[in-house]
Amino acid sequence: GENVEQHPSTLSVQEGDSAVIKCTYSDSASNYFPWYKQELGKGPQLIIDIRSNVGEKKDQRIAVTLNKTAKHFSLHITETQPEDSAVYFCAASKGGSYIPTFGRGTSLIVHP
Amino acid sequence: GAVVSQHPSRVICKSGTSVKIECRSLDFQATTMFWYRQFPKQSLMLMATSNEGSKATYEQGVEKDKFLINHASLTLSTLTVTSAHPEDSSFYICSARASDSDGYTFGSGTRLTVV
Repeated sequence: GENVEQHPSTLSVQEGDSAVIKCTYSDSASNYFPWYKQELGKGPQLIIDIRSNVGEKKDQRIAVTLNKTAKHFSLHITETQPEDSAVYFCAASKGGSYIPTFGRGTSLIVHP
Repeated sequence: GAVVSQHPSRVICKSGTSVKIECRSLDFQATTMFWYRQFPKQSLMLMATSNEGSKATYEQGVEKDKFLINHASLTLSTLTVTSAHPEDSSFYICSARASDSDGYTFGSGTRLTVV
């Protein structure tokens, strides 16, 4: 089955800095890669996703890149703000009814 | 966008009692819903897949008699923790996918504390 590795487990940055979280996956058939943000005591919220036919996708301060050959994808957050502090999960799936496999999560702390 | 509502958000119960958690898809129909359990500072652990009109599919190691799942309609799945014990205390989260989407929408989670 699919295996998703996520690094780092904890990331501490100063407000205004950029943050990068990296994930690798094992199943070359995976074609859908969502990123979720989970605030304390809440359920994960989808923040951005990318499909295998695209190499990069941006949405304001967040962007995701995908390297299918190397089987890794990354989340980039620019101009970080304290409200970006949360746990971020990457996931990989074959799309459709396939259940996504989640990474172990990255705790992002943005210091004001 | 797709919205999943989960209730209650917090529940405290006594050992030996049962607790029911509801998961509703508000603006879409979900033939399949998923139940996850999350321990502090850990990732999401898939417990079971809830299928509308049929039996749930449980992951290895999850006791189906303890965690009863019912998916009676296309918009509602329930998870009942039966004869709860303190070790069942955890954060339970449901998710669902609209049939025309690859993305999964999560509920807000339920913090269960068994005393």
